[in-house]
Amino acid sequence: QVQLQESGPGLVKPSETLSLTCIVSGGSISSHYWSWIRQPPGKGLEWIGYIYYTGSTNYNPSLKSRVIISLDTSKNQFSVKLTSVTAADTAMYYCARGADVLFDPWGQGTLVTVSS
Amino acid sequence: QSVLTQPPSVSAAPGQKVTISCSGSSSNIENNYVSWYQHLPGTAPKLLIYDNNKRPSGIPHRFSGSKSGTSATLGITGLQTEDEADYYCGTWDSSLSAGVFGTGTEVTVL
Repeated sequence: QVQLQESGPGLVKPSETLSLTCIVSGGSISSHYWSWIRQPPGKGLEWIGYIYYTGSTNYNPSLKSRVIISLDTSKNQFSVKLTSVTAADTAMYYCARGADVLFDPWGQGTLVTVSS
Repeated sequence: QSVLTQPPSVSAAPGQKVTISCSGSSSNIENNYVSWYQHLPGTAPKLLIYDNNKRPSGIPHRFSGSKSGTSATLGITGLQTEDEADYYCGTWDSSLSAGVFGTGTEVTVL
């Protein structure tokens, strides 16, 4: 079955760019939608955005000015970049298959802390 | 701040039933499909219900979903200790043009 695994730095300095990658195994990324979702400590889930295998994207308006989601079909992975991060961007970041309502499966998540 | 409201916690004894409500509005729940997720901290969230009331393969029948107007409900019957987790509803919000999740509900098996 399809499995997802997030990877990337666990610590990012304020004002810098957060970059994470999600490796997809057990299936091809060249179909379906692929999303990023995050959960700040002690808070609920927040949808960041999705990318379709064609490359089309849709982002949460609250983050749209700072986020880019891309995919690399040759490596069967997709990525998220979030610019100008602040402490408010500290969160567990999850990748998942799906677009906006139905997400399945999810990765286990990776904790990103924004701190100097 | 989430646009979907859930009770912070619910609890019941093993074998009993719990229901979790998810309250929204006409821009989200009323006019879009609802999904439900189970999340044990440190693990990947799991899809329990999609399209309001459908169960993915492998999800036990004791998990059920329903929707009426601007609210959705997750039901868990025959509660088991392994059901202790956080549960989230999710849907699309047409006004925000964004996927949205509920505030989350912690289920405790007494």
